Amino acid sequence: QQQVKQSPQSLIVQKGGISIINCAYENTAFDYFPWYQQFPGKGPALLIAIRPDVSEKKEGRFTISFNKSAKQFSLHIMDSQPGDSATYFCAASSSSGAGGTSYGKLTFGQGTILTVHP
Amino acid sequence: GAVVSQHPSRVICKSGTSVKIECRSLDFQATTMFWYRQFPKQSLMLMATSNEGSKATYEQGVEKDKFLINHASLTLSTLTVTSAHPEDSSFYICSASPSGGGDTQYFGPGTRLTVL
Repeated sequence: QQQVKQSPQSLIVQKGGISIINCAYENTAFDYFPWYQQFPGKGPALLIAIRPDVSEKKEGRFTISFNKSAKQFSLHIMDSQPGDSATYFCAASSSSGAGGTSYGKLTFGQGTILTVHP
Repeated sequence: GAVVSQHPSRVICKSGTSVKIECRSLDFQATTMFWYRQFPKQSLMLMATSNEGSKATYEQGVEKDKFLINHASLTLSTLTVTSAHPEDSSFYICSASPSGGGDTQYFGPGTRLTVL
């Protein structure tokens, strides 16, 4: 119930294309869904995050779509650039600590290696 | 804003020695800090949750006597790997949540530990 399943494992996109990464969760107590970007040898950097009270959030080229009934959320990267090539992780946490999870504790997806070809 | 630093960035040590890794929140106070380890091409695995002024909470399977965590102030948490062995070689990453800032976690740059 604590798992967050992420797909695809790897993704290759041409420059200018749209990159789409999907995540699904089981724990209905999750109410915070961030996406992180990680470059090799570096720590994850927060990209964008969403809460269940909205179905979509956009920041620049990055958009999160959230489907509460399906318990799924996705990251869309518009106009993908070679500099976007990195590993992307979705995550989820519960602000109430309910559902068997601790307050603020992030559960991460397995990660998606994105490669954007020039 | 929201910068987290780690020191050292990489360390090589001999088997049997202890290594201390520092995690600092530079521009905010963090009541809660988290420690993760990450193996190559894998996701982050939470090791423990560190709360300022109290004992850390360890995840199942993480040896608390081997991975000592101290969170003595609102801007500093330390992880000490005691009697390190080659299997402890990994990428250790900390994160910090701003006090009163809800769920957001900001991650440090990580520490690469190699045990010979």
